[in-house]
Amino acid sequence: GQNIDQPTEMTATEGAIVQINCTYQTSGFNGLFWYQQHAGEAPTFLSYNVLDGLEEKGRFSSVLSRTKGYSYLLLKELQMKDSASYLCAVYDSNYQLIWGAGTKLIIKP
Amino acid sequence: DVKVTQSSRYLVKRTGEKVFLECVQDMDHENMFWYRQDPGLGLRLIYFSYDVKMKEKGDIPEGYSVSREKKERFSLILESASTNQTSMYLCASGEGAQSGANVLTFGAGSRLTVL
Repeated sequence: GQNIDQPTEMTATEGAIVQINCTYQTSGFNGLFWYQQHAGEAPTFLSYNVLDGLEEKGRFSSVLSRTKGYSYLLLKELQMKDSASYLCAVYDSNYQLIWGAGTKLIIKP
Repeated sequence: DVKVTQSSRYLVKRTGEKVFLECVQDMDHENMFWYRQDPGLGLRLIYFSYDVKMKEKGDIPEGYSVSREKKERFSLILESASTNQTSMYLCASGEGAQSGANVLTFGAGSRLTVL
């Protein structure tokens, strides 16, 4: 079967750095997405990786390793507003999007 | 700046009632999707549509139907609501998947409670 694994919950301190991991086992691979979802709100797009390597967007970076079947999202200089769930999703060989259950990130002052 | 609008944020219905969830997008996207989101699970695809009057079953279509009469509007219908359909329903739209990073734009969600 197809599977995306993420930690259920993580806690970090304001101003620090946190890494959220995502491992996947899918039938084929055509790209990996990270979305951010604040409580009660719509998921919003953060990043997309299709080749191995790093994608940077301000304080957020995403890294992909296709050979190892994993990605991680790196959040720097954490702010209280970064408290949210972070969803990992993979396009399989049929361009069907497979979603992880999300990681709830709690930021403490 | 709202791009995907879901008509109802919160609904409470009784078992057996017919439920309509409406979704409208203003980005002229070809593709529209209905997901449900439950605690501890990833988003699960109910139905999707690549064009007007076209629909495709997702992973969990049982108990649901959809309608897409106009490009901008995609409706989810629960013919006879049941308690196990209590959930958050998310509508999304996007361009073709084969065009690379098909970023989805989501609505704010409709939280349905079936009593």
